[in-house]
Amino acid sequence: EAQVTQNPRYLITVTGKKLTVTCSQNMNHEYMSWYRQDPGLGLRQIYYSMNVEVTDKGDVPEGYKVSRKEKRNFPLILESPSPNQTSLYFCASSPNDRSSPLHFGNGTRLTVT
Amino acid sequence: GDSVTQMEGPVTLSEEAFLTINCTYTATGYPSLFWYVQYPGEGLQLLLKATKADDKGSNKGFEATYRKETTSFHLEKGSVQVSDSAVYFCALSDRGTYKYIFGTGTRLKVLA
Repeated sequence: EAQVTQNPRYLITVTGKKLTVTCSQNMNHEYMSWYRQDPGLGLRQIYYSMNVEVTDKGDVPEGYKVSRKEKRNFPLILESPSPNQTSLYFCASSPNDRSSPLHFGNGTRLTVT
Repeated sequence: GDSVTQMEGPVTLSEEAFLTINCTYTATGYPSLFWYVQYPGEGLQLLLKATKADDKGSNKGFEATYRKETTSFHLEKGSVQVSDSAVYFCALSDRGTYKYIFGTGTRLKVLA
């Protein structure tokens, strides 16, 4: 089944404790992206990648890192999480043809205390 | 920069009522336009799309027409069901920058 898989689904952590949210897709998509969803703000793009070893900042990249060493994986790293990063995070992928829709994972709800 | 504006919710309708959710956009060039739906506890799923002016996207009884002259992509359904209760997002993809821009979402609640 074609899908984007994120793990974990829920994560509670404390300020400053490094964490990684994994994302993997099995559709051979070149484009991958991370979003955060907050009430009243919709989805905001954190980082995106158009291909292996190519990543770029979205609208809200501060406090996040990403890497794209393989086509299928695009982990999101929070080196020193803070409470303002408490949010619902989505990974998404797409073929690199600009008119194709994004395929989303089921989300990771992160709480930073 | 590019942006998407959609009507604020929540929208509450009775079953079989007509639905319109307004969406307007600003973009340089000619973006592709999308409607996504998000059911509770799930990620966003594509509902329909349109890639050029005057295209009509349709799926599951929902329709939206790409109107370049009014920069709009309003979502409509003739007769909503309780199972349509969800959050709906309008979005565009900028063909120049590969960015996908989302609206803030409109929550729809359909009562039996």
